[in-house]
Amino acid sequence: DAGITQSPRHKVTETGTPVTLRCHQTENHRYMYWYRQDPGHGLRLIHYSYGVKDTDKGEVSDGYSVSRSKTEDFLLTLESATSSQTSVYFCAISEQGETPMHFGDGTRLSIL
Amino acid sequence: QKEVEQNSGPLSVPEGAIASLNCTYSDRGSQSFFWYRQYSGKSPELIMFIYSNGDKEDGRFTAQLNKASQYVSLLIRDSQPSDSATYLCATHYTGANSKLTFGKGITLSVRP
Repeated sequence: DAGITQSPRHKVTETGTPVTLRCHQTENHRYMYWYRQDPGHGLRLIHYSYGVKDTDKGEVSDGYSVSRSKTEDFLLTLESATSSQTSVYFCAISEQGETPMHFGDGTRLSIL
Repeated sequence: QKEVEQNSGPLSVPEGAIASLNCTYSDRGSQSFFWYRQYSGKSPELIMFIYSNGDKEDGRFTAQLNKASQYVSLLIRDSQPSDSATYLCATHYTGANSKLTFGKGITLSVRP
């Protein structure tokens, strides 16, 4: 299994609070991704990183920010959580842009 | 809008049968294609990838790619109840080599 750890695995919080999700990898892969998965929408890309301090937006980036200060860590921040951000969040990694992607176990986030 | 379309499903097959899962994509320039399996409550798991026209076999799984018709399929031979899951098709679109676009998935149920 790819060495990907997401934390926390579950979180319940209130609208308006900041939330940070962490993805840690031990594979030394260049690319890291954050996806959200919702019924009826499938997996949608939020942000991705192609190197330390190099990030770009995905298709559903509004309300989210990311940071990557080390190869192994990729953080996803919801500055002011809203109920529409209730979802399951998956981190993924790939060695290069077109190589197969592997997923972490996910974080189930509920915003009340 | 670049899309990956999968049969809405669900698909039900008897144990031992061949399950055929289909996926079409809108960008003729797509070069790489992936199939993921996702059990309920779990993260997506890579099971096959294919880059060239034709068939690629791995155990009971065969991926088939037809770039002229813009479809990719996954055949599961000798289906087992343990194959019951949601199967996700994904591709990199032209100019977006770092980002996978996913279909919404099709749920397969294998009846004992």
